[in-house]
Amino acid sequence: RKEVEQDPGPFNVPEGATVAFNCTYSNSASQSFFWYRQDCRKEPKLLMSVYSSGNEDGRFTAQLNRASQYISLLIRDSKLSDSATYLCVVNDNYGQNFVFGPGTRLSVLP
Amino acid sequence: NAGVTQTPKFRVLKTGQSMTLLCAQDMNHEYMYWYRQDPGMGLRLIHYSVGEGTTAKGEVPDGYNVSRLKKQNFLLGLESAAPSQTSVYFCASSYIRDRAGDQPQHFGDGTRLSIL
Repeated sequence: RKEVEQDPGPFNVPEGATVAFNCTYSNSASQSFFWYRQDCRKEPKLLMSVYSSGNEDGRFTAQLNRASQYISLLIRDSKLSDSATYLCVVNDNYGQNFVFGPGTRLSVLP
Repeated sequence: NAGVTQTPKFRVLKTGQSMTLLCAQDMNHEYMYWYRQDPGMGLRLIHYSVGEGTTAKGEVPDGYNVSRLKKQNFLLGLESAAPSQTSVYFCASSYIRDRAGDQPQHFGDGTRLSIL
């Protein structure tokens, strides 16, 4: 089993839709969790950290379920500019071991 | 504030040639990393460093060497390039995770390397 798994997609949604991605991780000792977005041929950029109590940043909501070992990202009112690949990242050793999922591709259609 | 800077941005090599990729960060981060990203695959860690003068192997270290002589710089070397090393290489840096919160990675904009 891979350490971090994501549905590769693509998820094709109309503008204004709500879309959710899940990510599962295998290491129960994982310490911190992040969502990054990566545009085509660009570097990954931090979207948001994921906290135990869940957190929200504008249209984006992240949740963590330690018992089931998954994190989720919810995007409300999708914009064309949200089209990208979303990477789930798990860190299990105080910064020494960031493990990236393969990414989920999102296309928001007009 | 430049963040993480990678040079060069593009390079074409012939099999057997050597080269060094440079990563520089101006955020005083302790940790630095080199990744490669291939089509359809996630980022894979090549080597990383937890401080000046220290390096460690990641998931795919074979064929690469690294050095971190200064805190702000992390060099990735290919001694004898092979076509299998054609990839996009990303450097990243981060603070040590502490009680203040989680410390994400910051990425450079990548080096596209082709080995013929």
